[in-house]
Amino acid sequence: EVQLVQSGAEVKEPGESLKISCEGSGYNFNIYWIAWVRQMPGKGLEWMGIIYPGDSDTRYSPSFQGRVTISADKSTSTAYLQWSSLQASDTAMYYCARPLWENYADYPFDHWGQGTLVTVSS
Amino acid sequence: SSELTQDPAVSVALGQTVRITCQGDSLRNYYASWYQQRPGQAPVLVIYDKTTRPSGIPDRFSGSSSGHTASLTITGAQAEDEADYYCNSRDITGNQPVFGGGTKLTVL
Repeated sequence: EVQLVQSGAEVKEPGESLKISCEGSGYNFNIYWIAWVRQMPGKGLEWMGIIYPGDSDTRYSPSFQGRVTISADKSTSTAYLQWSSLQASDTAMYYCARPLWENYADYPFDHWGQGTLVTVSS
Repeated sequence: SSELTQDPAVSVALGQTVRITCQGDSLRNYYASWYQQRPGQAPVLVIYDKTTRPSGIPDRFSGSSSGHTASLTITGAQAEDEADYYCNSRDITGNQPVFGGGTKLTVL
């Protein structure tokens, strides 16, 4: 069974750094891209970027380029989303998601993590 | 604002048919996918490649497309179909995926 299991909820203060994770299991992690999707409170879904764990090829939405870093560790089948300096506007639920087809860096996304709630508040 | 436009809210009587639409210029060139998101849960893919249902998705869900509009139809809506529905395609440049703003479906 394919599973994406994300790290737990985080509460941080503005200016702090953060790295959240998404561990894949039940499939060959190295050959499926992993995307990150943001959902701000009461709002819709926003595609942030995507990474290919096999070679760490990474693509970002212009809206998130330079604001977050996406990485992956093949040895632990885990993808990461990190911030160097959080802002209150980063408060949101963050989902990782896997495309339907292997070696395919695009929608649709047929497997999703359970989400990680990030709250940034002083 | 999203490059894919959805009605914010739609309602349907139990057992009736409802159509949820998604409009955008990119839909002339790229297929739409649809996701269901129940409160407090992650999105679930219900339609991809315009009309294909993943395994496990009831056949009351169907997709279609014409011109710059994609549609998700639920034939015989059930109480458990009450959720937010998001369309998904590519942006107008074709460079990245984009989601519609979402439609909140209420089953009366």
